[in-house]
Amino acid sequence: NAGVTQTPKFQVLKTGQSMTLQCAQDMNHEYMSWYRQDPGMGLRLIHYSVGAGITDQGEVPNGYNVSRSTTEDFPLRLLSAAPSQTSVYFCASSRLPQETQYFGPGTRLLVL
Amino acid sequence: DAKTTQPPSMDCAEGRAANLPCNHSTISGNEYVYWYRQIHSQGPQYIIHGLKNNETNEMASLIITEDRKSSTLILPHATLRDTAVYYCIVRVVNAGGTSYGKLTFGQGTILTVHP
Repeated sequence: NAGVTQTPKFQVLKTGQSMTLQCAQDMNHEYMSWYRQDPGMGLRLIHYSVGAGITDQGEVPNGYNVSRSTTEDFPLRLLSAAPSQTSVYFCASSRLPQETQYFGPGTRLLVL
Repeated sequence: DAKTTQPPSMDCAEGRAANLPCNHSTISGNEYVYWYRQIHSQGPQYIIHGLKNNETNEMASLIITEDRKSSTLILPHATLRDTAVYYCIVRVVNAGGTSYGKLTFGQGTILTVHP
């Protein structure tokens, strides 16, 4: 299986534009989450989902929306991009929240 | 989740064992020790985890002290491809609560393996 996949790998946006970062997993994992990583810093949790139809906020949710209509997909939406959202975004999944999480390769976002 | 303390950087010669320490003096009884690493520009990669017994897998060994206040990740024969940032994470594994899935990444240890 492919594990956790993310698209696009790299994106440039202008301030105020919206976009959706895609995340998919083929491991039938119930738990999925989004993190952002800024230069020289650790990862910070944006949103997470414990199953289809269930989402909740992490520590830095402002400016982002998520939905979970299927077990496989967990897209992250930027409603109105700001330069402060320039970052690398990682999606992760696990069978259950308390089990080992596996990360995707990341999406590098530059907001001008 | 308990805080962890790791040295900011370490060096290791290729072929030698790399021993990465981690202090977690406030760890609770239901918290596991997890290790991840992040090779430049890639997503974090799971290495190993444990509760109180020493653990070994194909990548590494994890030694946890008897009082569980510190641990050491051992890469037995480091290669150049092991150069990465290594994160020691302590997390609650029991179900329940709104943050129990969260992984708290600190600054980690930059391991540089040189020829």
